[in-house]
Amino acid sequence: AQTVTQSQPEMSVQEAETVTLSCTYDTSESDYYLFWYKQPPSRQMILVIRQEAYKQQNATENRFSVNFQKAAKSFSLKISDSQLGDAAMYFCAYRSASPSGGSNYKLTFGKGTLLTVNP
Amino acid sequence: DARVTQTPRHKVTEMGQEVTMRCQPILGHNTVFWYRQTMMQGLELLAYFRNRAPLDDSGMPKDRFSAEMPDATLATLKIQPSEPRDSAVYFCASGWQNYEQYFGPGTRLTVT
Repeated sequence: AQTVTQSQPEMSVQEAETVTLSCTYDTSESDYYLFWYKQPPSRQMILVIRQEAYKQQNATENRFSVNFQKAAKSFSLKISDSQLGDAAMYFCAYRSASPSGGSNYKLTFGKGTLLTVNP
Repeated sequence: DARVTQTPRHKVTEMGQEVTMRCQPILGHNTVFWYRQTMMQGLELLAYFRNRAPLDDSGMPKDRFSAEMPDATLATLKIQPSEPRDSAVYFCASGWQNYEQYFGPGTRLTVT
């Protein structure tokens, strides 16, 4: 079974600074997807960024980028120019890309990292 | 602006009562997921539907939980009878094939 580990329960960053959230995962599969979701106090789960394992290029979405190290099974999220609205719980998630019989599209989540942004 | 909707947003009930949570997936999506979020367990999958057929409900306590998709626009999660340990936030998510899953706002359930 796949597991996702987020070793930082909490992180803080000054507004306009850069912060990196860590995520490692364990899998025996070669083809999969990785995601970062953001959950603000409203509880809404918001997709931040997605990475396909077969792509060597790191995904980028505006101020959000990832550092995907497939051999090390590491998938960190970098937030540049942090804003007060970035304060939230961030979840790293894994999903198989080739589930057998279509039965395993579920997301496996880490425990989350609570990000505080200080003005 | 297509989004997943869930009702109710909040539910407080007494132990032993039946609870029904509803989800309307994004139009055109063919996969629907039910997740439960608690402080202790984090986010965990309860059930998964593809083209309205249940494909995985291994995470769901079978004796009290049931999940259905009576049609493509409605998914339901039912708990009968409810217990205090069922208190959690229940999320519905929908997607198209193996692409991203989009989450609803969740139902916060409190069982006293």
